[in-house]
Amino acid sequence: DARVTQTPRHKVTEMGQEVTMRCQPILGHNTVFWYRQTMMQGLELLAYFRNRAPLDDSGMPKDRFSAEMPDATLATLKIQPSEPRDSAVYFCASGGRLRTKNIQYFGAGTRLSVL
Amino acid sequence: GQQVMQIPQYQHVQEGEDFTTYCNSSTTLSNIQWYKQRPGGHPVFLIQLVKSGEVKKQKRLTFQFGEAKKNSSLHITATQTTDVGTYFCAGLNQAGTALIFGKGTTLSVSS
Repeated sequence: DARVTQTPRHKVTEMGQEVTMRCQPILGHNTVFWYRQTMMQGLELLAYFRNRAPLDDSGMPKDRFSAEMPDATLATLKIQPSEPRDSAVYFCASGGRLRTKNIQYFGAGTRLSVL
Repeated sequence: GQQVMQIPQYQHVQEGEDFTTYCNSSTTLSNIQWYKQRPGGHPVFLIQLVKSGEVKKQKRLTFQFGEAKKNSSLHITATQTTDVGTYFCAGLNQAGTALIFGKGTTLSVSS
């Protein structure tokens, strides 16, 4: 059963610490999306990649957030330094197979708490 | 910028009652997708509508895409407690590279 895998599932950290979230997209998917979900803002698109190249990261605060795809099986989202307002659930989603290319398959998310 | 709006934000129903959520886009959409997120879960794809005026059914769920391709609705007949969750609609951005999600309608059902 193919699925998007995100680690860690939960992260509690202190303000100022670096946080790295990882995502393994479904094998064969060439597009990876990072979202942040909060009660107030809903699902916000932070950044996305196609064939490992960043297409758009305009939704991401550039001063502290960075997203990369070091290879086709790994996407990372880093926050440095983290702040309490970054507390949210971060979802990774992948897509891009020809017949279902616009459909997104979400991972279970990383629940981040910054104290 | 391109926006997708959903109403209502929250809806509570008694089990067995019907439920409808509406989605409106500020621009014409090439397609519309619907996702469901269970409490504590992640969004899961339900369906995609592509044609103007299209209607699709999945058991008790009926999805419609408006004639002008700017609005859509999801109707659930005779809700059950398993229908609880947040329903999102999403449309492709104009570049065709990413989805723009509505803020979702959260459905609660009491038995």
